[in-house]
Amino acid sequence: AQSVTQLDSHVSVSEGTPVLLRCNYSSSYSPSLFWYVQHPNKGLQLLLKYTSAATLVKGINGFEAEFKKSETSFHLTKPSAHMSDAAEYFCVVRSNDYKLSFGAGTTVTVRA
Amino acid sequence: DTAVSQTPKYLVTQMGNDKSIKCEQNLGHDTMYWYKQDSKKFLKIMFSYNNKELIINETVPNRFSPKSPDKAHLNLHINSLELGDSAVYFCASSFGQGGKQPQHFGDGTRLSIL
Repeated sequence: AQSVTQLDSHVSVSEGTPVLLRCNYSSSYSPSLFWYVQHPNKGLQLLLKYTSAATLVKGINGFEAEFKKSETSFHLTKPSAHMSDAAEYFCVVRSNDYKLSFGAGTTVTVRA
Repeated sequence: DTAVSQTPKYLVTQMGNDKSIKCEQNLGHDTMYWYKQDSKKFLKIMFSYNNKELIINETVPNRFSPKSPDKAHLNLHINSLELGDSAVYFCASSFGQGGKQPQHFGDGTRLSIL
């Protein structure tokens, strides 16, 4: 069975400082991994995806994530947070029966 | 030019009623999904259709019945609504059923049961 753990339920950063959202996964085979963002009263929007190509994945809005098989991690980072980055972030892993397993989410707040 | 659109956006109704939520996508995708997001923001798949065929049917009460009249539409009908059905329901779509392609989500339907 596949599962995903987001290690922080809430992350607070100052505008202009780096953001790190941590995600660990468990999978019995080479996984497909995604990060999605959800702004208030909106649906989920894809930030980036890893599907066994380059381990460093660049996404939209300056986000990137690094797949580390040895650590079973897929942490999301951004060098400089913007006020518009305040949202809920979900780490997602594809299971071998084609379903997506969602992490519990990390709420990001950005202080001015 | 909304890619995945759900109607209604808000739905407030009494316990015991029957209601439907509609979803349409104009992305040309062949797979569509319904998810339920609870008050703690946890997301769980309910159903998935590929080319109008049901491919994922999670442990959901049989009061919930999806219907896909064509590849671009996936509706969700709920009978005898209960308090626990209060949640945000998201429709999504993608190319292929394998899960490797990203899913595009609608903005959600906020269902509140009185």
